[in-house]
Amino acid sequence: EAGVAQSPRYKIIEKRQSVAFWCNPISGHATLYWYQQILGQGPKLLIQFQNNGVVDDSQLPKDRFSAERLKGVDSTLKIQPAKLEDSAVYLCASSLAAPLGGYTFGSGTRLTVV
Amino acid sequence: DQQVKQNSPSLSVQEGRISILNCDYTNSMFDYFLWYKKYPAEGPTFLISISSIKDKNEDGRFTVFLNKSAKHLSLHIVPSQPGDSAVYFCAASAVFGNEKLTFGTGTRLTIIP
Repeated sequence: EAGVAQSPRYKIIEKRQSVAFWCNPISGHATLYWYQQILGQGPKLLIQFQNNGVVDDSQLPKDRFSAERLKGVDSTLKIQPAKLEDSAVYLCASSLAAPLGGYTFGSGTRLTVV
Repeated sequence: DQQVKQNSPSLSVQEGRISILNCDYTNSMFDYFLWYKKYPAEGPTFLISISSIKDKNEDGRFTVFLNKSAKHLSLHIVPSQPGDSAVYFCAASAVFGNEKLTFGTGTRLTIIP
């Protein structure tokens, strides 16, 4: 079984620029999550999709962050404009048997905003 | 508001001994608890979980204990091996919470050969 694919692995941008991350979940996993992990902290949920519908985006800073999941498969997360405090690892995960089965996370995208 | 807390940022254990990682939570609605392991430059990987109807779950060298009255859970690794060196995250979920996981801040475990 292929894992959760994310790209790019690393990205460095200047503040006020825009950036986009891509995620391809495990085939058949209806639920997709984007988490933000700031250095020294645990992952924090940004947005959760069930198929192509949003289940929870209560912690997504909607003035600058947006996400979509077209056709209920791939997803993109965008930041525009980026701030210094957005520097973090952005993790995508998908699930079939949550919560007890856990999520499967991708390797993440490390964003540095300078 | 940190609903899941891991108060020990780091822990060092001799190879072959028992590693005990602790986690406390404040939200009484949580009823599923999970442990994830994370190596550098990789995403977290699911390790073991427990439902609130149980107080213990075992999988090989890994055992998770849940004390609901104290809102405390722990992960025991025995015997500890060098490959266990990683950051361990505790996470919790509520059955009516859309399967959303709330994570602790992590404990870095170092196994000393």
